[in-house]
Amino acid sequence: EAQVTQNPRYLITVTGKKLTVTCSQNMNHEYMSWYRQDPGLGLRQIYYSMNVEVTDKGDVPEGYKVSRKEKRNFPLILESPSPNQTSLYFCASSLNGGLLTGELFFGEGSRLTVL
Amino acid sequence: KNQVEQSPQSLIILEGKNCTLQCNYTVSPFSNLRWYKQDTGRGPVSLTIMTFSENTKSNGRYTATLDADTKQSSLHITASQLSDSASYICVVSDSDDMRFGAGTRLTVKP
Repeated sequence: EAQVTQNPRYLITVTGKKLTVTCSQNMNHEYMSWYRQDPGLGLRQIYYSMNVEVTDKGDVPEGYKVSRKEKRNFPLILESPSPNQTSLYFCASSLNGGLLTGELFFGEGSRLTVL
Repeated sequence: KNQVEQSPQSLIILEGKNCTLQCNYTVSPFSNLRWYKQDTGRGPVSLTIMTFSENTKSNGRYTATLDADTKQSSLHITASQLSDSASYICVVSDSDDMRFGAGTRLTVKP
């Protein structure tokens, strides 16, 4: 089954404790991206990757890191989480970034709480 | 200022009724516009895509319209069902980026 898998789905952590949210897709998509979703603000892009070893900042990259060492995986790293990073995070993938007719396929989301 | 504005922010309707959600955008140059449905606690799923040359597209009880001149799109839901309760997100692409609306939260009550 074609899917985007995120882990963990739920996480409660404390300020400053490094964490990684994994994202994996099995559709051989070139484009992958991370979003955070907060009430009233909608989805905001954190980072995106057009292909292996190519990553770029989105609209809200501060406090986050990503890597794209292989096509299927795109982990999101919070080196020193802070309470303002408490949010619902989504990973997505697409054949061509959704810019032409490509569709974004989203994971199920990871709800992160930073105390 | 967000380049994609959706209205209303939230909407409550009775089961069986119709409703229309709005999306206005300033994104330019326009490439395509997608409507996504996001069930509570789940990731968004694409409902339909509109390109410049299309002004109406249907997907079951969902009908999207696009007026590229006024830069407006609407999503019409016919004979609503309880399962239509969700957030509906409008996403507009230009030549190299995607812009997300904040979404409309629809609640269908029995």
